[in-house]
Amino acid sequence: GESVGLHLPTLSVQEGDNSIINCAYSNSASDYFIWYKQESGKGPQFIIDIRSNMDKRQGQRVTVLLNKTVKHLSLQIAATQPGDSAVYFCAENRDTGNQFYFGTGTSLTVIP
Amino acid sequence: GAGVSQTPSNKVTEKGKYVELRCDPISGHTALYWYRQSLGQGPEFLIYFQGTGAADDSGLPNDRFFAVRPEGSVSTLKIQRTERGDSAVYLCASSSDSGGTDTQYFGPGTRLTVL
Repeated sequence: GESVGLHLPTLSVQEGDNSIINCAYSNSASDYFIWYKQESGKGPQFIIDIRSNMDKRQGQRVTVLLNKTVKHLSLQIAATQPGDSAVYFCAENRDTGNQFYFGTGTSLTVIP
Repeated sequence: GAGVSQTPSNKVTEKGKYVELRCDPISGHTALYWYRQSLGQGPEFLIYFQGTGAADDSGLPNDRFFAVRPEGSVSTLKIQRTERGDSAVYLCASSSDSGGTDTQYFGPGTRLTVL
């Protein structure tokens, strides 16, 4: 889910379980979306992207789902591993050029 | 290969001082972006360069912020008369082309603290 201010949504999962991280976006004109992973002290790292003419895209252990009707994006991580612990951001491109708008982020903790 | 690098990794300065933050993009990447990330928030767009020119500087918060990329490679973000509210991590990203849909590769950021 989303939150306002300094309180990151958090998600804790057991190692080996699947994780689902959600993101709501605001602009129906957004046509390109990216999920980033950010570990402490590092810059965001690209995970997977999806364009608005698709509703699902799969990568290695990750799947992104896009529901344009309700302006919702989700990231599914299969068989979550301790190395997946990080903050995950969705970013949208609003077709206004090269600006990407990032969500607040979700902090994922994987319990060994 | 080398990724995006940023220097310094940490910068502590006093209110009112001038600072420069440097970004070395991935070699050959024509597009370069600066973002600012406050604690607990996602990155916030500041400025985008295509080559040497600032194609979009609409994210710069005020005229104390300025960025250059004179040779189309290294970029410097300059902040004048720093304020405590400028404290944040400043991220740089580069991509191989413009158009907004090319993967942006981020550097580790510079953590700026204004006392």
